[in-house]
Amino acid sequence: AQKITQTQPGMFVQEKEAVTLDCTYDTSDPSYGLFWYKQPSSGEMIFLIYQGSYDQQNATEGRYSLNFQKARKSANLVISASQLGDSAMYFCAMRENTNAGKSTFGDGTTLTVKP
Amino acid sequence: SAVISQKPSRDICQRGTSLTIQCQVDSQVTMMFWYRQQPGQSLTLIATANQGSEATYESGFVIDKFPISRPNLTFSTLTVSNMSPEDSSIYLCSVSQVGLGTEAFFGQGTRLTVV
Repeated sequence: AQKITQTQPGMFVQEKEAVTLDCTYDTSDPSYGLFWYKQPSSGEMIFLIYQGSYDQQNATEGRYSLNFQKARKSANLVISASQLGDSAMYFCAMRENTNAGKSTFGDGTTLTVKP
Repeated sequence: SAVISQKPSRDICQRGTSLTIQCQVDSQVTMMFWYRQQPGQSLTLIATANQGSEATYESGFVIDKFPISRPNLTFSTLTVSNMSPEDSSIYLCSVSQVGLGTEAFFGQGTRLTVV
């Protein structure tokens, strides 16, 4: 079974609107971290936001927030007030305490922001 | 944070030859990883580069094909040996410190085309 599932290959959003990118994960490790990365067409991987499995509150970083629902094993990324520069591929990733620091990535979601 | 210099940024190689990719980090890091990414697709972990010892390879990747060196905490190389067109991909170096909450940093990637 896939450890990280991103079910939306592509998403469109109107500029200035909010958008939610879905991510579900599968682990039996009680200690893990969830990450979101942005990969523009230039190819660089940019870290956006982190959520720890024991964190009580949802993470926020500027226009990015993470809707963490532990019981449902979901960690959706919410981007508010979308900008044209947000058009990119977005990856959800997980690091498990028992997995030697390695990250497992989802298949990614390509977000296109329309003017 | 960590700044990673990855070289070369791209190359076109003849089948049967080998290419060595370098990853230089501006600070000492605990963990170094090598990933492969087909354009528009997810990242697949090749191996964990271990300082002063043999790398730890993921299923489907072997040392004879992808020899890795890591002589110190700031430098690693990945060699793609006896290349075939199927090796055409983007190769990414990634680093992080120990700890679930520490994000991974990525090099700009090496875009390899085998003809």
